[in-house]
Amino acid sequence: GNSVTQMEGPVTLSEEAFLTINCTYTATGYPSLFWYVQYPGEGLQLLLKATKADDKGSNKGFEATYRKETTSFHLEKGSVQVSDSAVYFCASQKGGSYIPTFGRGTSLIVHP
Amino acid sequence: KAGVTQTPRYLIKTRGQQVTLSCSPISGHRSVSWYQQTPGQGLQFLFEYFSETQRNKGNFPGRFSGRQFSNSRSEMNVSTLELGDSALYLCASSPTSTMNTEAFFGQGTRLTVV
Repeated sequence: GNSVTQMEGPVTLSEEAFLTINCTYTATGYPSLFWYVQYPGEGLQLLLKATKADDKGSNKGFEATYRKETTSFHLEKGSVQVSDSAVYFCASQKGGSYIPTFGRGTSLIVHP
Repeated sequence: KAGVTQTPRYLIKTRGQQVTLSCSPISGHRSVSWYQQTPGQGLQFLFEYFSETQRNKGNFPGRFSGRQFSNSRSEMNVSTLELGDSALYLCASSPTSTMNTEAFFGQGTRLTVV
């Protein structure tokens, strides 16, 4: 079946540190991959996406590359800010499906 | 363009009661999905409606039901509430019939069952 595995949180970093949140997926074919972010008290919003192998999604300094060979879509940011504190969800959506499969979410806490 | 609107934002109900939550999708979006978010289980898919028809369904008991109206607005209903139904319920809408596109989420309804 289709599943998404994210690293357990919380991830705690100091401001300007480098961020990596790991995400791997299992799916047949070539799913589209997404990272969503949920700020406190809010719903999820799309952060970035990639629809085919080797695509790199990027937004607000965050990047993730679709790696078919390792079935991964790790989220990275070179220098985090306090305002990046949120919960990050990795999701995959296989071809022909209208419903994404979400990971459990990873909480990021950034200290000044 | 207005985003996805969910009402109410907060609800407190007593065990055994029923509750109805409402979701207005982004204008032009005909697909509406519902999710339950809890600290223990994460984000779990409830069901998805498209053009007033339930197109996909998650693994929830029959106490959870939904519907969609001709203007694409959707409601979900939970009957015979249990303490474990306390959660953030999120609604998301997507463009008409396009697959593999992003979902646009509302802010959610926080349901507390006491």
